[in-house]
Amino acid sequence: AQTVTQSQPEMSVQEAETVTLSCTYDTSENNYYLFWYKQPPSRQMILVIRQEAYKQQNATENRFSVNFQKAAKSFSLKISDSQLGDTAMYFCAFGETSGSRLTFGEGTQLTVNP
Amino acid sequence: SQTIHQWPATLVQPVGSPLSLECTVEGTSNPNLYWYRQAAGRGLQLLFYSVGIGQISSEVPQNLSASRPQDRQFILSSKKLLLSDSGFYLCAWGDLTAPGYGYTFGSGTRLTVV
Repeated sequence: AQTVTQSQPEMSVQEAETVTLSCTYDTSENNYYLFWYKQPPSRQMILVIRQEAYKQQNATENRFSVNFQKAAKSFSLKISDSQLGDTAMYFCAFGETSGSRLTFGEGTQLTVNP
Repeated sequence: SQTIHQWPATLVQPVGSPLSLECTVEGTSNPNLYWYRQAAGRGLQLLFYSVGIGQISSEVPQNLSASRPQDRQFILSSKKLLLSDSGFYLCAWGDLTAPGYGYTFGSGTRLTVV
């Protein structure tokens, strides 16, 4: 079974600075999907970014980018120019290519300070 | 476009009372459906998932049950609530034919058992 580990339960960053959230996973699959979800205080789960394992190019979405290291089974999220609205719980998730079920990490609570 | 509706948004129920939370999906057919529970500041615990009408898989033995009476309807129930059933409940759907898109989540139900 796949496992997803987020080793940083809490992080903080100053507004306008850059922060990186870590995620590692364990799988024997060669092809799969990886995701980062954001859960702000409203608790609505929002997809931030996704990565397909067979694509070597790291995904980017505006201020959000990932560093995907397939050999190391690492999938970190970088948030540039942090904004107060980025304050949220961030979940890393692993998805197989067969079926839609995701395996989630325990989450990292990010606080952006003014 | 696909949308997911979950209700009620908040619920306060006495111990021993029944529970029914409903989730419906629009704009897609044969979705994979999921119920998660989240304690405050914690990760997501998968409770049930369904790949089709009447097909329910339980991940955690507990006081809850799930049903899928229609293709796009997923219901979480309990006959007698316990204090430990309090939490935030999230419904999600995934597309078996497009696993790379991850989940779309409902807005959640905050359940307090008193």
